[in-house]
Amino acid sequence: EAGVAQSPRYKIIEKRQSVAFWCNPISGHATLYWYQQILGQGPKLLIQFQNNGVVDDSQLPKDRFSAERLKGVDSTLKIQPAKLEDSAVYLCASSLRRGPGGNEQFFGPGTRLTVL
Amino acid sequence: GEDVEQSLFLSVREGDSSVINCTYTDSSSTYLYWYKQEPGAGLQLLTYIFSNMDMKQDQRLTVLLNKKDKHLSLRIADTQTGDSAIYFCAASETSYDKVIFGPGTSLSVIP
Repeated sequence: EAGVAQSPRYKIIEKRQSVAFWCNPISGHATLYWYQQILGQGPKLLIQFQNNGVVDDSQLPKDRFSAERLKGVDSTLKIQPAKLEDSAVYLCASSLRRGPGGNEQFFGPGTRLTVL
Repeated sequence: GEDVEQSLFLSVREGDSSVINCTYTDSSSTYLYWYKQEPGAGLQLLTYIFSNMDMKQDQRLTVLLNKKDKHLSLRIADTQTGDSAIYFCAASETSYDKVIFGPGTSLSVIP
């Protein structure tokens, strides 16, 4: 079974530029998550999709971050304009429709963003 | 909201047991998870425990839960160099709620 795919793996941009990240979840996984992981910290949820609807975007800085999940499969996360403090690893994860067995999330390798 | 805390570093000798500790604040957390992150990779679920359990064992891994103290631990028996990674404790209130991650414990295994 193919895992969660993300691209690019690395991105270096200057502040005020725009950047976009792409995620392809595991086939059949209805729930998709974007996390921001700053160096030395745990992942922080930015946005959660159930199919193509947003379930939770309470921690997404909506003035600069946007995300969409077309047709309930692939997703893109965009930052416009980027700030220095956006330097982090952006992780995408997916899970099957939530059930009694806990919320096992499968993570992609992440995109490391450096903002200069 | 939920807050999850962990010690940041642990160093053990190969063959010894490792114990990684975690505390959480929300007594409503029902699902408690341990994830492993190897360099350059995403997180991988190792195991999870329901709040109505005290212990769960899975091969070399033993999870202990003290619900009264809101304390969770992960014991790795016969630690190997391949166990060197960052270990994240995480919690969620139900399987429908978002998962809150701790800062991670970096485990270094000395040959």
